[in-house]
Amino acid sequence: AQKVTQAQTEISVVEKEDVTLDCVYETRDTTYYLFWYKQPPSGELVFLIRRNSFDEQNEISGRYSWNFQKSTSSFNFTITASQVVDSAVYFCALMGPMDTGRRALTFGSGTRLQVQP
Amino acid sequence: DSGVTQTPKHLITATGQRVTLRCSPRSGDLSVYWYQQSLDQGLQFLIQYYNGEERAKGNILERFSAQQFPDLHSELNLSSLELGDSALYFCASSMGQEYNEQFFGPGTRLTVL
Repeated sequence: AQKVTQAQTEISVVEKEDVTLDCVYETRDTTYYLFWYKQPPSGELVFLIRRNSFDEQNEISGRYSWNFQKSTSSFNFTITASQVVDSAVYFCALMGPMDTGRRALTFGSGTRLQVQP
Repeated sequence: DSGVTQTPKHLITATGQRVTLRCSPRSGDLSVYWYQQSLDQGLQFLIQYYNGEERAKGNILERFSAQQFPDLHSELNLSSLELGDSALYFCASSMGQEYNEQFFGPGTRLTVL
């Protein structure tokens, strides 16, 4: 079975602070895909990043960076110099390999990030 | 804007009623996924269609059903509604099974009174 755990329910930081959102996953698949989505107060789900299990390179996109560690089954998300507009709920999700019935996303419970001015 | 549209945006109805939620995927996308987001269950996968055929089922109740039409739009039918069915229902689309990114619509907020 697939499972995603986001242990941090809510995080509050002050603008310009760095913040890391944790994600731990469980899967028996050797090939899988990891995602982060953002859900701002308006409610839509916005795709942020996809990472393949066979690519452990970390990724940076502007103020966002992701640290994928297969050895600890973690896919953590760091926002550098946070801004008020980063306030949202962030979801980590897992997808199985192609040609399986596990192509739907298994989501974690989400981490609510509040960035105070 | 993801390119996925969902109607209606909000729906308020009574227990025991039946409603239909509609989703139009991004142009060219063949796969449609339905997800339910509720306070107690979080974001859960309900069902997937690919080019008109059901491909996978998640935690979908028997009172719920879906279909995908030849023009690739999809409908989620919820019947005998209960208070606990109140949730945000998302539709997502992707190009196909081999594509990983799913793009989400704005959701339909269902309130059952």
